[in-house]
Amino acid sequence: SAVISQKPSRDICQRGTSLTIQCQVDSQVTMMFWYRQQPGQSLTLIATANQGSEATYESGFVIDKFPISRPNLTFSTLTVSNMSPEDSSIYLCSVEDRGKGAFFGQGTRLTVV
Amino acid sequence: GQNIDQPTEMTATEGAIVQINCTYQTSGFNGLFWYQQHAGEAPTFLSYNVLDGLEEKGRFSSFLSRSKGYSYLLLKELQMKDSASYLCAVRNDYKLSFGAGTTVTVRA
Repeated sequence: SAVISQKPSRDICQRGTSLTIQCQVDSQVTMMFWYRQQPGQSLTLIATANQGSEATYESGFVIDKFPISRPNLTFSTLTVSNMSPEDSSIYLCSVEDRGKGAFFGQGTRLTVV
Repeated sequence: GQNIDQPTEMTATEGAIVQINCTYQTSGFNGLFWYQQHAGEAPTFLSYNVLDGLEEKGRFSSFLSRSKGYSYLLLKELQMKDSASYLCAVRNDYKLSFGAGTTVTVRA
């Protein structure tokens, strides 16, 4: 299975600032996914990061708020822009392993104050 | 759209068996997954069903009935370390939709 490294593991940020989360995979993958898990809730897909094209965003998520980069087949970044306390969540990147669903990075625990 | 339902909480005794049910109504289906998530950690893969029937993997088994939109995860010989949240997820095309999760508490 793929090994996924995500950083930072946690951060405390001031409202109005931006944070970029990095996700590195040890093998080439076609699609990478970014999820959000708000306190006490399940995972919600933010967007699918495609190499060589723009990310595909789910309903309720927009590029201006969550810009995504995918410069190659092993790396992606998610930026949380102009943060507010409502953005306090765990952010997870994942890759698909056929037959085993998604494998996840260790997550980034973001607190906005 | 996707609608995935599972109980919020379950409590069981060490050594016992617990069954976590998951019902789903989705616009498409090509697989159902179960994940375990300990507090403060990322979800980890437990099982995958795409055809009807039972898949057994050690102490964990998962069942799927596509016609009923129903799955369950069976945890046998419960251990204290099994206390965690269990997430049911349905794949439609390449995307996963997650249920809200079932928090299982194992008591001595």
